[in-house]
Amino acid sequence: QKEVEQNSGPLSVPEGAIASLNCTYSDRGSQSFFWYRQYSGKSPELIMFIYSNGDKEDGRFTAQLNKASQYVSLLIRDSQPSDSATYLCAVTRGDSSYKLIFGSGTRLLVRP
Amino acid sequence: DTAVSQTPKYLVTQMGNDKSIKCEQNLGHDTMYWYKQDSKKFLKIMFSYNNKELIINETVPNRFSPKSPDKAHLNLHINSLELGDSAVYFCASSQARAVDEQFFGPGTRLTVL
Repeated sequence: QKEVEQNSGPLSVPEGAIASLNCTYSDRGSQSFFWYRQYSGKSPELIMFIYSNGDKEDGRFTAQLNKASQYVSLLIRDSQPSDSATYLCAVTRGDSSYKLIFGSGTRLLVRP
Repeated sequence: DTAVSQTPKYLVTQMGNDKSIKCEQNLGHDTMYWYKQDSKKFLKIMFSYNNKELIINETVPNRFSPKSPDKAHLNLHINSLELGDSAVYFCASSQARAVDEQFFGPGTRLTVL
């Protein structure tokens, strides 16, 4: 079992729709959870982080965390073609707050 | 005003050669990292230094050796390059802990022929 699992996609949504990206993790000791966006040929950039159960909203983005189910998700409202990218879920390992474990990413395609 | 920079951006070399990648950050961060991203986009931590001290050393071949001359620089030296080393290598930095945002460099695409 991979430590951080994501559906590779592509997830295709029409412009203006809500895109829902999901991630599960295996380490119950994980404390911090991150969503990074990576455009093709570019480096990852942080979209959001979340530490506590529940929802966290930032503009069009909402991160949701459920530690009991070991599940974290990212919702993108009013999706734009410029949101088309690979979204990487990352989780700190329970034994080390320095170590970020990344999922293999979900490719999102927003159709105009 | 580049925050995290890497050189070179592209590196094409023959099997068996030795090569180095350099990384510098001007953010005043304490912690720096090396990641490897393979062709399937899987981003994997290799090493991390905090204030010049090695704090993460994942299971990588000992042909890979990181060096941190000061907390703003983290270099990666690779001996006896193999075909499987072909990947994009990203340097990153963060303030004190991974719980903080990690800022990534532009990446170095290494191709071993």
